[in-house]
Amino acid sequence: DAKTTQPPSMDCAEGRAANLPCNHSTISGNEYVYWYRQIHSQGPQYIIHGLKNNETNEMASLIITEDRKSSTLILPHATLRDTAVYYCIALNTGGFKTIFGAGTRLFVKA
Amino acid sequence: EPEVTQTPSHQVTQMGQEVILRCVPISNHLYFYWYRQILGQKVEFLVSFYNNEISEKSEIFDDQFSVERPDGSNFTLKIRSTKLEDSAMYFCASKKLAGASTDTQYFGPGTRLTVL
Repeated sequence: DAKTTQPPSMDCAEGRAANLPCNHSTISGNEYVYWYRQIHSQGPQYIIHGLKNNETNEMASLIITEDRKSSTLILPHATLRDTAVYYCIALNTGGFKTIFGAGTRLFVKA
Repeated sequence: EPEVTQTPSHQVTQMGQEVILRCVPISNHLYFYWYRQILGQKVEFLVSFYNNEISEKSEIFDDQFSVERPDGSNFTLKIRSTKLEDSAMYFCASKKLAGASTDTQYFGPGTRLTVL
């Protein structure tokens, strides 16, 4: 699975969009970009994933560049409850395990 | 919405004792996993399980660890003789199958294991 690079921390004002970047320049054609988050010590929570096209669900949007070397997770209206560690993972669809990095610690401030 | 459940939420044990951590994966899922997270550190893969056998295991998953699916709904992690360094959050996860966009692992809330 490709290595991903994320900033260690970010701040966002409550009600504003949070844009979390991820670099995955070595991603291969059969690897999806997955995003999870972990609120405090809870279990990682699935957010969204995509292969080539931009994706949107009730939680977030995922924008993947055309060359697939980077992506951005967008939380359109961040709330205090979105304060968490966000993990960007490049995952082979046949892969059995998920390798977590250090992620980005997002602080949403009132 | 179906979810992975884990029991107990917190387990305290004495060093050298055996512990069994229990998980109920999502009912139609076929792949099962255990991960752990030592306080302040990354989430680490321990083992994956499919078709009643281990698919892959990490270096952490040594002879002290074992997994079992004793019936159609439970998935357990046993630590035979606990050490202080086994203190961590243990997360169970499951996924439906491999391939395409359905390859999403869903995680349980975790069991906090404290070894004294």
